[in-house]
Amino acid sequence: GQNIDQPTEMTATEGAIVQINCTYQTSGFNGLFWYQQHAGEAPTFLSYNVLDGLEEKGRFSSFLSRSKGYSYLLLKELQMKDSASYLCAVKDSNYQLIWGAGTKLIIKP
Amino acid sequence: DTAVSQTPKYLVTQMGNDKSIKCEQNLGHDTMYWYKQDSKKFLKIMFSYNNKELIINETVPNRFSPKSPDKAHLNLHINSLELGDSAVYFCASSPHGSSGANVLTFGAGSRLTVL
Repeated sequence: GQNIDQPTEMTATEGAIVQINCTYQTSGFNGLFWYQQHAGEAPTFLSYNVLDGLEEKGRFSSFLSRSKGYSYLLLKELQMKDSASYLCAVKDSNYQLIWGAGTKLIIKP
Repeated sequence: DTAVSQTPKYLVTQMGNDKSIKCEQNLGHDTMYWYKQDSKKFLKIMFSYNNKELIINETVPNRFSPKSPDKAHLNLHINSLELGDSAVYFCASSPHGSSGANVLTFGAGSRLTVL
């Protein structure tokens, strides 16, 4: 079966750095997405990786290793507004998105 | 200027009733989707339409019927509602079909509670 694994919940301190990991086992790979979802709101797009390596976008960076079936989302200079769930999703060989359950990130002052 | 709008935002109804959720996008996207997010927060694809044509129809009870009158609208009708249908339903759209880095834009969600 297809599977996306992420930690259920993480806690970090305002101003710090946090890394949210995602491992996947899917039938084929056509890209990996990270979305942010604040409580009671819609998911919003953060990043897309299809090649190995690090993609940096402001305070957020996303890394992919296809050989390891692994990605992480790195959030720097954490702000209280970064408290949200972070969803990892992989596009499989049929170009269907397989979603993880998300990691709830709690930021403490 | 709402990009993907869905109504209603909240829906509370009795078991056995029939209800509809409407979705409209003004982004000019070709593809629209319905997702279900359950209490465990998994997002599950239900349906996908590309230019009014059904392209994804996951294993969903046939009590759920999508309708796309044009490529800017994708409505979801649910017959004979059951307790297990309680969830948040998200409409989404993307510029292309399923290939490439087509980013999904989600609506705000419709929280359905079946009593």
